Amino acid sequence: TQLLEQSPQFLSIQEGENLTVYCNSSSVFSSLQWYRQEPGEGPVLLVTVVTGGEVKKLKRLTFQFGDARKDSSLHITAAQPGDTGLYLCAAYTGGFKTIFGAGTRLFVKA
Amino acid sequence: EAGVAQSPRYKIIEKRQSVAFWCNPISGHATLYWYQQILGQGPKLLIQFQNNGVVDDSQLPKDRFSAERLKGVDSTLKIQPAKLEDSAVYLCASSLDFASGGAAGELFFGEGSRLTVL
Repeated sequence: TQLLEQSPQFLSIQEGENLTVYCNSSSVFSSLQWYRQEPGEGPVLLVTVVTGGEVKKLKRLTFQFGDARKDSSLHITAAQPGDTGLYLCAAYTGGFKTIFGAGTRLFVKA
Repeated sequence: EAGVAQSPRYKIIEKRQSVAFWCNPISGHATLYWYQQILGQGPKLLIQFQNNGVVDDSQLPKDRFSAERLKGVDSTLKIQPAKLEDSAVYLCASSLDFASGGAAGELFFGEGSRLTVL
């Protein structure tokens, strides 16, 4: 069974702090996505990483795909209250299947 | 471009009653997914359609859940009879095929339908 483990499960920080959340697996994936989900809404796609070692930046968010394509990290610089939400990683396993991790719930205090 | 539409947004029923959720995917998206998201957990795939054919329904509790996608567009997910543990958000998502320029694994979600079973 392919599993995605996300850590930490919950993170509460002050505005302006930096943070990193992780997504790990023992399986190799064709691609990996990060989504953000706000309360009462569906997940919204942030980024897709495909190549081992790939780094993508989206404003203050930096996403990295592990060299072996088994893990990924999301780093947020100078977090803002608007970054509050549930961050989900998802992996395309091939055969049209996508699996999700349990998510990291981030709360940024003003 | 219109997003994925779902209805109803909220539904409260008693156990053993039935409920149906509707989803209209993004125009041109051949693949449609129904996910169940229990509070505090990530989404769990219930069923996946490619056009109007089922690709994966291995985690769908078929004794009480059913889903259809007539004409390869809209989809309906039904629960009958509902149990307390079915309380969750039911998320519909769609994606574009590779042949149409879509990227593997990129899903577009609706706002979800929150079900409470009492």
